[in-house]
Amino acid sequence: AQSVTQPDIHITVSEGASLELRCNYSYGATPYLFWYVQSPGQGLQLLLKYFSGDTLVQGIKGFEAEFKRSQSSFNLRKPSVHWSDAAEYFCAVGPRSNDYKLSFGAGTTVTVRA
Amino acid sequence: KAGVTQTPRYLIKTRGQQVTLSCSPISGHRSVSWYQQTPGQGLQFLFEYFSETQRNKGNFPGRFSGRQFSNSRSEMNVSTLELGDSALYLCASSLAGGTGNEQFFGPGTRLTVL
Repeated sequence: AQSVTQPDIHITVSEGASLELRCNYSYGATPYLFWYVQSPGQGLQLLLKYFSGDTLVQGIKGFEAEFKRSQSSFNLRKPSVHWSDAAEYFCAVGPRSNDYKLSFGAGTTVTVRA
Repeated sequence: KAGVTQTPRYLIKTRGQQVTLSCSPISGHRSVSWYQQTPGQGLQFLFEYFSETQRNKGNFPGRFSGRQFSNSRSEMNVSTLELGDSALYLCASSLAGGTGNEQFFGPGTRLTVL
C-alpha cells in the first residue's frame, strides 16, 4: 500500500533563514510527486511537481524540491523564508495513470518568526 | 478565469441528517475530485468524476456519494451524518483525468456535525 510520511509536524524558522521539509514515500513504482501549500482558510495550492527528468524541480514562490529515488524522498527547500511562507505544507504522490487518486502526507506546519 | 468555487463555505448539521455540498470547477475542466481533511486523518481522497462518470473511489462508506452534471459541476452527498464526518471537504478540478494534470483546489466547505 502506498504511504507518504512527513516526519516533521511543526517547524519554526526565522525569516531569511533556509527551510527544508522532508517527505518520504512508499509506493509500488515511482509515482508522480507533488508539494502543496495550504494557508489558513484556503484550499491547496500546487508548489511544484515531479514527473520525470531532472531530479531537482523548481516551483513557485522560490521553492525547489529534489527527488532521490534511492531514498524514496522528495524534500522541499527554500533558501530564504519570508513571513508569508507561514502555512501548512503537504507532500503528495499519485499513480502514473489516469487514476486521479492522490495520497497526501500528514502535513508540516511552518511558523516564521521575525 | 474564475477558480474552483464551493458552496456553502460553512455548514452545521446534526447527527443523522444528510448534507449536499456543491463544487463548480474551473471553466473547461472536466475532472472533479473530492477530498476530506480532518486533523486526525489528514487529507483523504473520496472520489473523482470525469465526464459525469465516477472513475475512482477512496475507502469511504457508502454514505458518501457524489455525482457530476453535464456542465462538470459536482455535488457530494453524505447521508446519516456522524460526528466523525466533521471535516473540511475540498474539491479539486483539472482539465482531464490522470495525475499528470494539475489539480486546482477550491477553498473547501467546513462541515460541523453536532
